[in-house]
Amino acid sequence: KAGVTQTPRYLIKTRGQQVTLSCSPISGHRSVSWYQQTPGQGLQFLFEYFSETQRNKGNFPGRFSGRQFSNSRSEMNVSTLELGDSALYLCASSSGFRMGYSGNTIYFGEGSWLTVV
Amino acid sequence: AQSVTQPDIHITVSEGASLELRCNYSYGATPYLFWYVQSPGQGLQLLLKYFSGDTLVQGIKGFEAEFKRSQSSFNLRKPSVHWSDAAEYFCAVGSNTGNQFYFGTGTSLTVIP
Repeated sequence: KAGVTQTPRYLIKTRGQQVTLSCSPISGHRSVSWYQQTPGQGLQFLFEYFSETQRNKGNFPGRFSGRQFSNSRSEMNVSTLELGDSALYLCASSSGFRMGYSGNTIYFGEGSWLTVV
Repeated sequence: AQSVTQPDIHITVSEGASLELRCNYSYGATPYLFWYVQSPGQGLQLLLKYFSGDTLVQGIKGFEAEFKRSQSSFNLRKPSVHWSDAAEYFCAVGSNTGNQFYFGTGTSLTVIP
């Protein structure tokens, strides 16, 4: 069974540009969530999508957006990039059941490393 | 509000020694608790999770964790550390409001021969 796939793995962008990151969840999983990891702020929740609907959103500016397609694949977009957006962006995939459901296991991808120069 | 504290930023242990990584959480309801490990340049791998029931949870790679409600703690332990255990360890509490984690700041583990 293939794991969570994130593309691209590494990318460099210039301030002011925009970027789109992609996440393909595990087959059959309907929930995709995104996290930003930086040395200063640690792991912070961006948003979660379930069946093409944003179900939960973290405390990030509107420059950060996402969407989910009917095949559960998800993209996140960051517009008007700032230096502080340099981070590892992690995608997590799950069945979408509530957190406490014993059968619900959440898997992370290897992440997309974004460097803004 | 939910939060997780990992008091130890960095820990060094000798190979073969025992290990305990501390985690304290703040959560209003029954917590869903997790430990993840991250190797350099990699994503997060689930070590173990606690939802309910037996407070001592067994995970992969010989790790275990004990949930102590009275202390709001979920410490990770391993009786004998291997050099390959060197990594960053994250404790997390999960929210029922969507599949959202609140992560601690992580503990970096160095294993010396």
